[in-house]
Amino acid sequence: GENVEQHPSTLSVQEGDSAVIKCTYSDSASNYFPWYKQELGKRPQLIIDIRSNVGEKKDQRIAVTLNKTAKHFSLHITETQPEDSAVYFCAASWGNDMRFGAGTRLTVKP
Amino acid sequence: GAVVSQHPSWVICKSGTSVKIECRSLDFQATTMFWYRQFPKQSLMLMATSNEGSKATYEQGVEKDKFLINHASLTLSTLTVTSAHPEDSSFYICSASPVSGAGRNSPLHFGNGTRLTVT
Repeated sequence: GENVEQHPSTLSVQEGDSAVIKCTYSDSASNYFPWYKQELGKRPQLIIDIRSNVGEKKDQRIAVTLNKTAKHFSLHITETQPEDSAVYFCAASWGNDMRFGAGTRLTVKP
Repeated sequence: GAVVSQHPSWVICKSGTSVKIECRSLDFQATTMFWYRQFPKQSLMLMATSNEGSKATYEQGVEKDKFLINHASLTLSTLTVTSAHPEDSSFYICSASPVSGAGRNSPLHFGNGTRLTVT
């Protein structure tokens, strides 16, 4: 089955700086890679996703890159703001199998 | 759109009792819903896949007789924790996708979660 590893587990940045979270996956058949943001005590919310036929996708301050050969994908947040502070989960999916990374707790210091 | 409602948001029960958690898709039909368990500061662990009109598919290590799942309609799935024990205390979250037939290969919308405390 799929195995997803996520790094780092915690990340602290200064407001305005960029944040990068990286994930690797094991199943080369995985073809859908969503990222979820979970604020304390709340439900995970999809923030961006990418499919295997695309190498990069951007939505305002958030971007995701995918390297299928290396089987890793990354989340990039630019110009971070305090409200970006949350736990971020990556996931990899193929057909009926979706696995989540362990999560990254991002703290943006004002 | 694509709202998933979960109820209750929190529940406290005594050891040995059963607790039912509901997950509803409010504005779409979901043939498949997913149930997760989340421990503090940890990731979402898939427990089972709930299939409308058929038996749920449980992940390895999840006791199907303890975590009963019923998906009686296209908008409602329930998770019943039977004979609850303190170690069952956790945050339970459901999710569903409005994309028909896409399985897990599509964006998921999550419920607000249920914090279960077993005393």
